Amino acid sequence: AQSVTQLDSHVSVSEGTPVLLRCNYSSSYSPSLFWYVQHPNKGLQLLLKYTSAATLVKGINGFEAEFKKSETSFHLTKPSAHMSDAAEYFCVVIPAYSGNTPLVFGKGTRLSVIA
Amino acid sequence: GAVVSQHPSRVICKSGTSVKIECRSLDFQATTMFWYRQFPKQSLMLMATSNEGSKATYEQGVEKDKFLINHASLTLSTLTVTSAHPEDSSFYICSARSTGGGTGELFFGEGSRLTVL
Repeated sequence: AQSVTQLDSHVSVSEGTPVLLRCNYSSSYSPSLFWYVQHPNKGLQLLLKYTSAATLVKGINGFEAEFKKSETSFHLTKPSAHMSDAAEYFCVVIPAYSGNTPLVFGKGTRLSVIA
Repeated sequence: GAVVSQHPSRVICKSGTSVKIECRSLDFQATTMFWYRQFPKQSLMLMATSNEGSKATYEQGVEKDKFLINHASLTLSTLTVTSAHPEDSSFYICSARSTGGGTGELFFGEGSRLTVL
């Protein structure tokens, strides 16, 4: 069975400081992993994805994530937070070769950025 | 990139009426679309998987007669909330994957906020 655990429900950082949003996964197969961002009353936008290529994945808006199989983690980072980064972030997993199996969502982490 | 369009983005209706939400894939064909429901400050909850040309697959606890799903073409799926009640008020989001299926990116609509008075 697949599962995703986002370790923090809420993270608050000051503008210009680094961001770390933590995600651990459980999957029977080599997973594909995604980070999505959701701004208030909006749909989800893909930040980045890992699909068994390079373990360090760079995404949009300066975000990146590193796939660590030994730690079953896929933490999202950004060197310097911007006010516009304040949003809800979802870590998502699907196992490889799953056909049209729907994604498994983490519970989300709300990022607040303080001026 | 691929775009999924949802309409309407906001709808307010009276209790007992039915509301239809459309989900369209604008530049790709989607044999499968997913419908999610999101309660305030919570993650997305999968309601059903919509398959083009066949019946939708509903998740446990989701009433299929309450939430009617029709996937009549490769670019359109609709969710109809029948005889809506205030407890049906929620944010509904659809997503679609291209006909390539597999582990590709899932594209999301902008969501539809339903308020039942």
